[in-house]
Amino acid sequence: GAVVSQHPSWVICKSGTSVKIECRSLDFQATTMFWYRQFPKQSLMLMATSNEGSKATYEQGVEKDKFLINHASLTLSTLTVTSAHPEDSSFYICSARGILAGGYNEQFFGPGTRLTVL
Amino acid sequence: GDSVTQMEGPVTLSEEAFLTINCTYTATGYPSLFWYVQYPGEGLQLLLKATKADDKGSNKGFEATYRKETTSFHLEKGSVQVSDSAVYFCALSVSGGYQKVTFGIGTKLQVIP
Repeated sequence: GAVVSQHPSWVICKSGTSVKIECRSLDFQATTMFWYRQFPKQSLMLMATSNEGSKATYEQGVEKDKFLINHASLTLSTLTVTSAHPEDSSFYICSARGILAGGYNEQFFGPGTRLTVL
Repeated sequence: GDSVTQMEGPVTLSEEAFLTINCTYTATGYPSLFWYVQYPGEGLQLLLKATKADDKGSNKGFEATYRKETTSFHLEKGSVQVSDSAVYFCALSVSGGYQKVTFGIGTKLQVIP
């Protein structure tokens, strides 16, 4: 199957700083990327959906000015948590959807990034 | 809106026991159904899927059948192993638009020797 990577895999930062998380599709072009947030012992909650070259669509209740999403190319999307606070500590997972060889449309998940804000 | 309901865990089983994790769904369209697995400290991996009614998805000894009449997609395995210990998420995706995936709450499975 296709591979989606995230970097970093974990990050610790001080309150008030900004953190950028990268999501890359390694062997296919991702027409759409999704960003999820997972709290301990809870399910994944979709934060936003982004298409290459256009503004992200945020889910209700997600602050677009706090969680900046950039989908600059068909293989890269970034999530920037601005002015992070301890309540932003969570596991952030991206996924990418694209057309694979053979015309198969599938969504693949990255391994996740654990953010801890002190 | 679309939603997925699955049994809350944790589920604790002895090795070689039979596993069933129930999952039901509601969807506005005709969804594809998935089971994802998350091992400790790792991201999600697709375990199996089914795209139409009566389809059976299977992988690594796990099976689930798409039951449209009962809107269910229960996960089963005949003989679990310690290595199956993980969190299992039932999910759906409706075709059209961005095809976002809606997840259930996840069921933690612990298999003891």
